[in-house]
Amino acid sequence: DAGITQSPRHKVTETGTPVTLRCHQTENHRYMYWYRQDPGHGLRLIHYSYGVKDTDKGEVSDGYSVSRSKTEDFLLTLESATSSQTSVYFCAIRGTGEEAFFGQGTRLTVV
Amino acid sequence: AQSVTQLGSHVSVSEGALVLLRCNYSSSVPPYLFWYVQYPNQGLQLLLKYTSAATLVKGINGFEAEFKKSETSFHLTKPSAHMSDAAEYFCAVVSGGYNKLIFGAGTRLAVHP
Repeated sequence: DAGITQSPRHKVTETGTPVTLRCHQTENHRYMYWYRQDPGHGLRLIHYSYGVKDTDKGEVSDGYSVSRSKTEDFLLTLESATSSQTSVYFCAIRGTGEEAFFGQGTRLTVV
Repeated sequence: AQSVTQLGSHVSVSEGALVLLRCNYSSSVPPYLFWYVQYPNQGLQLLLKYTSAATLVKGINGFEAEFKKSETSFHLTKPSAHMSDAAEYFCAVVSGGYNKLIFGAGTRLAVHP
């Protein structure tokens, strides 16, 4: 267990509403990532952070924003949820090596 | 930019048979490569990693992978499949700065009696 907690684990929301997903780590690692997983696409990087208040866009960042005000928390916000954002969202952290460790995921359904 | 291609979105084997999951990468620099496994309704678990040391990498649960630069491949194998190996497997490569991972589309492994 890499000490990563994602919340909520499941959420159903309506189109047009804002949604925030939380990733919390207990490892004090610098690098954190948000991915989405969709069938046939594997995992795609949404945003990542390389320190407090230091974030950057990944390959599928449109419609998403992030914030990192503390080392342990990395928040992903869907500013106005759309059905195309129905997905499973994973948070990851990079440990002392090159590999990433993943949370259990958040299943988001936008109706 | 680095990329990863996994050949075969579904692979089915008999229990006790060889498992071979294919991964090819494109990278302009020596890559860091990984295999992850995902069991139903769970996160991804690291199986093994290649970081430019030995070309044959051993991982957990009896899996191993061989880095072949000439073929730009990093195929995952296991000599004898077990029912518990049924899962989805992802190959990934580090891309750019900040250790961002680029994933393949995944291969779902089914193991039948």
